[in-house]
Amino acid sequence: EAGVAQSPRYKIIEKRQSVAFWCNPISGHATLYWYQQILGQGPKLLIQFQNNGVVDDSQLPKDRFSAERLKGVDSTLKIQPAKLEDSAVYLCASSAPGTKPNNEQFFGPGTRLTVL
Amino acid sequence: DQQVKQNSPSLSVQEGRISILNCDYTNSMFDYFLWYKKYPAEGPTFLISISSIKDKNEDGRFTVFLNKSAKHLSLHIVPSQPGDSAVYFCAASAQGSNYKLTFGKGTLLTVNP
Repeated sequence: EAGVAQSPRYKIIEKRQSVAFWCNPISGHATLYWYQQILGQGPKLLIQFQNNGVVDDSQLPKDRFSAERLKGVDSTLKIQPAKLEDSAVYLCASSAPGTKPNNEQFFGPGTRLTVL
Repeated sequence: DQQVKQNSPSLSVQEGRISILNCDYTNSMFDYFLWYKKYPAEGPTFLISISSIKDKNEDGRFTVFLNKSAKHLSLHIVPSQPGDSAVYFCAASAQGSNYKLTFGKGTLLTVNP
């Protein structure tokens, strides 16, 4: 079974530029998550999708971050404009349908963003 | 406000010995707890979990203990192996929050041969 795919793996941009990340979840996984992991911290949930609807985006900085999940499969996360403090690893995860606590979340390898 | 705390940034143990990783939480609404393991340049992978109705869950070399009154959980690895060297994240979730995961900062475990 293929895992969660993310691209690009690395991205370096100047502050105030825009950047987009792509995620392809495990086939059949209805729930998709985007996390931000700043160096030395644990992953922080930015947004959770159930199919193509948003379940939770309470920690997404909506003035500069946006995410979409068209057709309930792939997802993109965009930052516009980027700030220095956005430097982090952006992780995508997916889980099987339902909201049971033991629905294991499968993580992709992440995209490491450096904002200069 | 750090709701899940892993106060030890790093831990070093000898191969064959026990590794004990600790985690504290402050939110009494948390009712499910998980441990994830992360190797460099990879995403976290699920290791073991425990519901708040239990105080122990065991899976092979890994055992998680939960002390609800102390709001404390720990992960025991016995015996430790060099391949266990990784960052371990404690995470917690609550039914009322759609089981959204809140992670600690992680503990880097190094198992020396």
